[in-house]
Amino acid sequence: DSGVTQTPKHLITATGQRVTLRCSPRSGDLSVYWYQQSLDQGLQFLIQYYNGEERAKGNILERFSAQQFPDLHSELNLSSLELGDSALYFCASSVRQGSTDTQYFGPGTRLTVL
Amino acid sequence: GENVEQHPSTLSVQEGDSAVIKCTYSDSASNYFPWYKQELGKRPQLIIDIRSNVGEKKDQRIAVTLNKTAKHFSLHITETQPEDSAVYFCAASLGGTYKYIFGTGTRLKVLA
Repeated sequence: DSGVTQTPKHLITATGQRVTLRCSPRSGDLSVYWYQQSLDQGLQFLIQYYNGEERAKGNILERFSAQQFPDLHSELNLSSLELGDSALYFCASSVRQGSTDTQYFGPGTRLTVL
Repeated sequence: GENVEQHPSTLSVQEGDSAVIKCTYSDSASNYFPWYKQELGKRPQLIIDIRSNVGEKKDQRIAVTLNKTAKHFSLHITETQPEDSAVYFCAASLGGTYKYIFGTGTRLKVLA
């Protein structure tokens, strides 16, 4: 158990709908990262937040948005869902070690768009 | 843009043999290189990492080596066991940020 929690575990919805995925980082971690992993694919970085502020963006679609709240939990909002959005969505949180950041992953949310 | 190449994409070894997975990175400012193990449907788990000021690190049956000049780093698993079967991802930090660039993964199968 990494200490990072994600809810829900599974989500089944229809095309065109909107969903919200939630992530709570490890105690004391200020950074949250979101990744998308499609079937048998690698980890695609979406976005990073640090202490409430957006810090880095990856290949995140305009239909997707995220935020980090004052209690440091984060939410990833996916709207106008398409079949291709079906994937595992992971968040990770990080602890600073010198000039590097070790990321610990949550258990993921499996999104199925029908 | 910066990238990380990972080879091989699949690897089958007999139980007890060694397995080696290699990654090459492009960003000369990368200074942190973690390796993650992911079992089917589960989260990636950090198994070992190395920083740029170190050439080699070992943790029981797992070791990582880093060649900064060649921009190569490798994962070595000795005395493989069936429970080592999983997908392994390498990653490199992106210089000037806290982002990782992940490799495409290696599916390791340990045959009993």
